[in-house]
Amino acid sequence: DIQMTQSPTSLSASVGDRVTITCRASQNINNFLNWYQLKPGKAPKLLIFAASSLQTGVPSRFSGSGSGTDFTLTISSLRPEDSATYHCQQGHNSLVTFGPGTEVDVK
Amino acid sequence: EVQLLESGGGLVQPGGSLRLSCAASGFTFSDYAMTWVRQVPGKGLEWVSGIGKDGINTYYADSVKGRFTISRDNAQNTLYLQMNSLRAEDTAVYHCANYHCSTSSCYRNFESWGQGTLVTVSS
Repeated sequence: DIQMTQSPTSLSASVGDRVTITCRASQNINNFLNWYQLKPGKAPKLLIFAASSLQTGVPSRFSGSGSGTDFTLTISSLRPEDSATYHCQQGHNSLVTFGPGTEVDVK
Repeated sequence: EVQLLESGGGLVQPGGSLRLSCAASGFTFSDYAMTWVRQVPGKGLEWVSGIGKDGINTYYADSVKGRFTISRDNAQNTLYLQMNSLRAEDTAVYHCANYHCSTSSCYRNFESWGQGTLVTVSS
């Protein structure tokens, strides 16, 4: 199985800050990497697919980059509603795996 | 509007069984692969199982292989998850989600999700 790791585990930042979350795959997954946002009591939301493609309806302050084994999710200007947990997920093969998540707290 | 509505969760004893359903609407169900993902309250996401759009190909996480069975009824726009030999560690909110694969690639990006149904395995 492909293992996914994320860093940091959690972070706290202020409104307007630029935030970057890193995701690493245990083997080359090309660009088969997706990002999700989780909020308590809500269905998970797809933010980025294919490493860098913005899902329809997602604000443009979210962006993704990377290929191979190293990927990043960037929030260019943090807003209060971005307080959530963010997960990366590899779709390189049929045995999908998620990263452990990064909790973002907006001060 | 895409809607995915899970049902069938509840409290079950260890070793017991449950069958989850996911009713889909707002998209052409038979054009999409489907998946089940679970979330332990307060923890992260764990992929459980997936099924191709025609129901022929199925996939399972090692943690549930041999105990869970995924299936679908394209005529009824419904996805299922039969869960047998349930364990305490299967306690979670179970979400269904859809994804579309082209002929050239499949990113397994889960586009739309249901709110989930809670499964509690406890004596």
